[in-house]
Amino acid sequence: KAGVTQTPRYLIKTRGQQVTLSCSPISGHRSVSWYQQTPGQGLQFLFEYFSETQRNKGNFPGRFSGRQFSNSRSEMNVSTLELGDSALYLCASSLDSMYEQFFGPGTRLTVL
Amino acid sequence: GDSVTQMEGPVTLSEEAFLTINCTYTATGYPSLFWYVQYPGEGLQLLLKATKADDKGSNKGFEATYRKETTSFHLEKGSVQVSDSAVYFCALKDAGANSKLTFGKGITLSVRP
Repeated sequence: KAGVTQTPRYLIKTRGQQVTLSCSPISGHRSVSWYQQTPGQGLQFLFEYFSETQRNKGNFPGRFSGRQFSNSRSEMNVSTLELGDSALYLCASSLDSMYEQFFGPGTRLTVL
Repeated sequence: GDSVTQMEGPVTLSEEAFLTINCTYTATGYPSLFWYVQYPGEGLQLLLKATKADDKGSNKGFEATYRKETTSFHLEKGSVQVSDSAVYFCALKDAGANSKLTFGKGITLSVRP
């Protein structure tokens, strides 16, 4: 069974640009969550999507947005990039909230 | 809000030493508790979990017991191996109908031969 895949694995952008990251969950999983990992703040929850609806949202500015498609694949978008957005972005999928979450390898975003 | 506090790191041990990594939490209600491990260049892997008070999670020689009275979920292993070198995260999930995990800062474990 294929795991959670994230594309691209590495990304370099400049300040002010926007970026879209993609996450393909494990087949059959309907919940996709996104996390930001930085050395200073650690792992922080961005948002969760379940059956194409945002079910929960973390404390991030509106520049961070996401969506989920009917096949459960999810994308997150960051507009007007700032240097502080440099991080590893992880997505996790699960059948639903009471089931184990499986993490992808992450997308390493560097903002110059 | 919910929070998880882990002991400061990094931790360096010799092979076959005993490991304890402390974790305490603050949450309303009855959260589920987890330990995740992250190897270099990889995502997080679930190591073990406990869903109610006094539950003991165990996997690959690691153990942790959900202690509601002390709001703790300390990770232990009797004899560490070089292959256990990684970053360890303690996390909680509240009892609500969502998948949000709240993580501790993580601690880097290095095991030398």
